[in-house]
Amino acid sequence: KQEVTQIPAALSVPEGENLVLNCSFTDSAIYNLQWFRQDPGKGLTSLLLIQSSQREQTSGRLNASLDKSSGRSTLYIAASQPGDSATYLCVVDNTGKLIFGQGTTLQVKP
Amino acid sequence: DADVTQTPRNRITKTGKRIMLECSQTKGHDRMYWYRQDPGLGLRLIYYSFDVKDINKGEISDGYSVSRQAQAKFSLSLESAIPNQTALYFCATSDTGENQPQHFGDGTRLSIL
Repeated sequence: KQEVTQIPAALSVPEGENLVLNCSFTDSAIYNLQWFRQDPGKGLTSLLLIQSSQREQTSGRLNASLDKSSGRSTLYIAASQPGDSATYLCVVDNTGKLIFGQGTTLQVKP
Repeated sequence: DADVTQTPRNRITKTGKRIMLECSQTKGHDRMYWYRQDPGLGLRLIYYSFDVKDINKGEISDGYSVSRQAQAKFSLSLESAIPNQTALYFCATSDTGENQPQHFGDGTRLSIL
């Protein structure tokens, strides 16, 4: 059974710092891995999707990597801003069904 | 207008009541999903539908039922609500095929007293 774990559960950093969110999964037979952002009272917004054949994806200040063999992904956020404060979810696509991590709640202080 | 619309956004009800949560989408996607989110547990799949005539149980379907009334509409019912069904419920849609991202509604916060 696929399990997705995110570390840390919460993170507080000063504005401007570069930071890394970690995700691990137990079954490497995945279609893809996505990182979502969730704001309080809102749904989930897809940030990056890495296909199983890819190693990384970049969008603006965000970079996500995927290492299937070790069952790991990282989300790198450069030059963090208060507007980045949210919960970040790592999600693995197993045969069309999504398996979610518990999330990392990020607070970026001005 | 939102691509994936959930109604109601908030609902408080009593144990034993029948509840229906509705989801509609304007994206033209065949696939629709219902999830619940609980603190510390992430999102878990309740039911999913890959087209109008297809309904599948997810990880935690007990106590729930669904109806796919049309390509654009997928409703979730709690036949007899119980307090541990208090949660945040999300509907999502995706296009057919691999590597298609899911698009989420803003959620329905349901409280069962």
